Amino acid sequence: NAGVMQNPRHLVRRRGQEARLRCSPMKGHSHVYWYRQLPEEGLKFMVYLQKENIIDESGMPKERFSAEFPKEGPSILRIQQVVRGDSAAYFCASSPPSEGYEQYFGPGTRLTVT
Amino acid sequence: GDSVTQMEGPVTLSEEAFLTINCTYTATGYPSLFWYVQYPGEGLQLLLKATKADDKGSNKGFEATYRKETTSFHLEKGSVQVSDSAVYFCALGHSGYSTLTFGKGTMLLVSP
Repeated sequence: NAGVMQNPRHLVRRRGQEARLRCSPMKGHSHVYWYRQLPEEGLKFMVYLQKENIIDESGMPKERFSAEFPKEGPSILRIQQVVRGDSAAYFCASSPPSEGYEQYFGPGTRLTVT
Repeated sequence: GDSVTQMEGPVTLSEEAFLTINCTYTATGYPSLFWYVQYPGEGLQLLLKATKADDKGSNKGFEATYRKETTSFHLEKGSVQVSDSAVYFCALGHSGYSTLTFGKGTMLLVSP
């Protein structure tokens, strides 16, 4: 049973470009969460999605950030017009419907904005 | 709101030493508590969990007991190995609501 998959593992973008981060949940998991880890910080919740629905986006910055989890395909976290402060590790986690708080994490995407 | 406080690192130990990483929490209700481990360059792995007061989670020689009276979930291991060097995160979550709240993490460095 493959774990949570994220790609790319490393992403370099210049200021003003768009970054797209992908996450494929574990088989049988229909809930996806995105977290951001800034250097020497813990993980901060960004958004919680189920298929075709955003359930909680209270941790998502109001501008430039968006997320989706379509009926088919991976979940996407999109950051438009990236700035240096967006440089961080972005982790995706998934959980089965029955135990939403038991989350399994992907290896993360490390975004560097130059 | 919920919060998790961990002891600051790095914690530096020699191989076979005893490990304690302190974790305390503030939360409403009865959260479940977790320890995650992050090896260099990798994502977080669930190390152990406890879902109610007095539960003891254990895995790979690590253990932690859910202490409601002291709102604590300290991580312990009797004899650490070099391969245990990693960052350890304490976290809490509520059944029925899926956001996890993490502490800042504690780096553990074990030398031979």
